[in-house]
Amino acid sequence: NAGVTQTPKFRVLKTGQSMTLLCAQDMNHEYMYWYRQDPGMGLRLIHYSVGEGTTAKGEVPDGYNVSRLKKQNFLLGLESAAPSQTSVYFCASRRGQADQETQYFGPGTRLLVL
Amino acid sequence: GQNIDQPTEMTATEGAIVQINCTYQTSGFNGLFWYQQHAGEAPTFLSYNVLDGLEEKGRFSSFLSRSKGYSYLLLKELQMKDSASYLCAVINSNYQLIWGAGTKLIIKP
Repeated sequence: NAGVTQTPKFRVLKTGQSMTLLCAQDMNHEYMYWYRQDPGMGLRLIHYSVGEGTTAKGEVPDGYNVSRLKKQNFLLGLESAAPSQTSVYFCASRRGQADQETQYFGPGTRLLVL
Repeated sequence: GQNIDQPTEMTATEGAIVQINCTYQTSGFNGLFWYQQHAGEAPTFLSYNVLDGLEEKGRFSSFLSRSKGYSYLLLKELQMKDSASYLCAVINSNYQLIWGAGTKLIIKP
């Protein structure tokens, strides 16, 4: 069981470039999330998915798009990267909607936009 | 608005006890999580509270008072490996998880 994995671990982009971050989970979880974490701030939800083929906006969705074509994968796209998107991105998954269900996090992707 | 407040940083001595507080103001309440996050790593689950009172798990305990919008994480017999950030998160009435900025705990020998 690999749990939640993220690809790549680290990336440097120039302003205006695009890229896709991949999150994969092998726990058959329904719910998946993309967060960004910046110094001095809490985790902020970008987009999330409650099942295959579904996506929804979180707290800070602008500049990002997502897709959940397969249950195990959740992709985060940056269409035109900006320096403000320099951050650490975490993917998380959750088995179901019961409150006590914990989120399991991937190791993170560190993105630097120059 | 919704916010969760935690101290930014705390320092404690190896072998001692430390209490990390979390106060929250959210639109509704459906539970509170504590996570541990070591530098450069992902958050990992520590505890979940939905009813008032103390939940004990080995060296770690978590307390909740819903009427006061308050929780704390108690760490006993501190070890150097406990140096990490501790994140408080609340599930609101829309079943969204609202995260605090985290408390960085520094353990000194």
